[in-house]
Amino acid sequence: DTAVSQTPKYLVTQMGNDKSIKCEQNLGHDTMYWYKQDSKKFLKIMFSYNNKELIINETVPNRFSPKSPDKAHLNLHINSLELGDSAVYFCASSQGRAEGEQYFGPGTRLTVT
Amino acid sequence: DQQVKQNSPSLSVQEGRISILNCDYTNSMFDYFLWYKKYPAEGPTFLISISSIKDKNEDGRFTVFLNKSAKHLSLHIVPSQPGDSAVYFCAAIPRWGADGLTFGKGTHLIIQP
Repeated sequence: DTAVSQTPKYLVTQMGNDKSIKCEQNLGHDTMYWYKQDSKKFLKIMFSYNNKELIINETVPNRFSPKSPDKAHLNLHINSLELGDSAVYFCASSQGRAEGEQYFGPGTRLTVT
Repeated sequence: DQQVKQNSPSLSVQEGRISILNCDYTNSMFDYFLWYKKYPAEGPTFLISISSIKDKNEDGRFTVFLNKSAKHLSLHIVPSQPGDSAVYFCAAIPRWGADGLTFGKGTHLIIQP
């Protein structure tokens, strides 16, 4: 039983394309997140979202947009992909702030050519 | 600017000995500190945490120490086992504000037989 799942696991696409990464959690959590791990291995928060509020990291380009069809899903949509978007993207969830204890998905490796 | 720093990219320890991983932070607003463990091609998994009002938290072979005055925390693993070989991320979250974790760059722990 996978707690936080992401699809696809690998995504290779060309510059300028639009793509989406899906995330689902079956933990009943009310808060979900997207993180980006870049080539230097830094893991950085992109978004946090619950049914009340979307908080966007100010450094995230507006080409990135999270979409939540329901409480169990937070998809990441990326427009006009650029080479610098190549990274591993992790989805995570928690029940409220949970003192920082978050459950992560396995990651999606995005390669933009 | 890195608010959470792990200055050792890698650490090699003999099986059965103690592993000590270090982390420094700069943001005085951080309220909880966490350690996450990550295997290749998987998402980070929560290991242990400590509140800013404590100086030690222990869970089995894992102990986290917090020195608030020095803005320093460490993770001790004793005895170290081969399965402990992984990348360890130090992370922090403030009491108020955005729910996302701020991560260090990680330390690759290698347990040698």
